[in-house]
Amino acid sequence: KAGVTQTPRYLIKTRGQQVTLSCSPISGHRSVSWYQQTPGQGLQFLFEYFSETQRNKGNFPGRFSGRQFSNSRSEMNVSTLELGDSALYLCASSGQGAANEKLFFGSGTQLSVL
Amino acid sequence: AQSVTQLDSHVSVSEGTPVLLRCNYSSSYSPSLFWYVQHPNKGLQLLLKYTSAATLVKGINGFEAEFKKSETSFHLTKPSAHMSDAAEYFCVVTASNTGNQFYFGTGTSLTVIP
Repeated sequence: KAGVTQTPRYLIKTRGQQVTLSCSPISGHRSVSWYQQTPGQGLQFLFEYFSETQRNKGNFPGRFSGRQFSNSRSEMNVSTLELGDSALYLCASSGQGAANEKLFFGSGTQLSVL
Repeated sequence: AQSVTQLDSHVSVSEGTPVLLRCNYSSSYSPSLFWYVQHPNKGLQLLLKYTSAATLVKGINGFEAEFKKSETSFHLTKPSAHMSDAAEYFCVVTASNTGNQFYFGTGTSLTVIP
């Protein structure tokens, strides 16, 4: 069974641009969540999607958005990039998205904003 | 509100000696607690989880953790460290009763000295 796949692995953008990151969950998983990992802030929750609906949202500005498709694949978009958006973006999937369920993480997309 | 505090940002042990990584939590309801491990250039992997079934939880690779409600702690231990245990460890608490939303601690970097 294939794991969680994130593309691209690396991205370099400049301030003001926008970026779209992609995540394919494990087959059969319906919940996809996104995290931002930085050396200073650690892992911070962005949002979670379940059956194409955003179910939970973290404390990030509206420039960060996402969506989930009918096949559970998810995309995350960041508009008007800022230097502080440079981070490793991790996607995680789980079967039913229960509060005590194990998360399966992808390897992440390393975003650098210049 | 839910949160976790990892009391040590760095821990160094000699190979073959015990490992103790400390975590305190705060939760307004009965929490689910987890420990995840992140090896360099690898994805996050679940070590173990507590979901109220038993206070002593056994995980993979010889790790275990004990849930102590009176002390609001969930420390991770291993009797004998191995070189392959060198990694970043994260204590995690459920942030919501519905869906996958988790608060990650700031992480503890474990170094194993040969």
